[in-house]
Amino acid sequence: AQSVSQHNHHVILSEAASLELGCNYSYGGTVNLFWYVQYPGQHLQLLLKYFSGDPLVKGIKGFEAEFIKSKFSFNLRKPSVQWSDTAEYFCAAFERSNTGFQKLVFGTGTRLLVSP
Amino acid sequence: DAGVTQSPTHLIKTRGQQVTLRCSPKSGHDTVSWYQQALGQGPQFIFQYYEEEERQRGNFPDRFSGHQFPNYSSELNVNALLLGDSALYLCASSVGTGYEQYFGPGTRLTVT
Repeated sequence: AQSVSQHNHHVILSEAASLELGCNYSYGGTVNLFWYVQYPGQHLQLLLKYFSGDPLVKGIKGFEAEFIKSKFSFNLRKPSVQWSDTAEYFCAAFERSNTGFQKLVFGTGTRLLVSP
Repeated sequence: DAGVTQSPTHLIKTRGQQVTLRCSPKSGHDTVSWYQQALGQGPQFIFQYYEEEERQRGNFPDRFSGHQFPNYSSELNVNALLLGDSALYLCASSVGTGYEQYFGPGTRLTVT
């Protein structure tokens, strides 16, 4: 079964600082990976996804993530954070059932606070 | 184009009661998945519906049941509510399986 780990539970940064949030997954086969963001009072939104191809994935709002298969990692990065990036970030992976249907397996989330 | 909608927004129930939550998928989507998000945790998969059938299920007891209608909307029912069922219940829709899922705003259920 797939599992997803996010080791940073709380991160506090100043505006303009660089961000890197860690994500590791367990299943070593074909993997589809996602980063979702949940802004205060809003619903989960997809930031970016990796299905195949270029391991460096660019998403919305200047975020990017790098898929490193040998490290089972899919870390999220942003060169310069803004106050508006304050949110909770979830890494997720598809887990395929024996019927072929896929469900999302989420990490526990990282709460990011950006101070102005 | 409306995204995923859920109703109600908030709900307060008493232990032992039953509750029904509703979800309308994003236009063009035919698959609905339900997740439970407890405070401070990531969403946990409950079950997924496609073509009006439950296609896979997470590690949740039979007290949790669901339904999908011909228009692809879905309901989540929880019987014999426990205090531990208090959580944010999220509905996500997608085109089939294997593609990104779009989430609704959730229903906040409080069991007292």
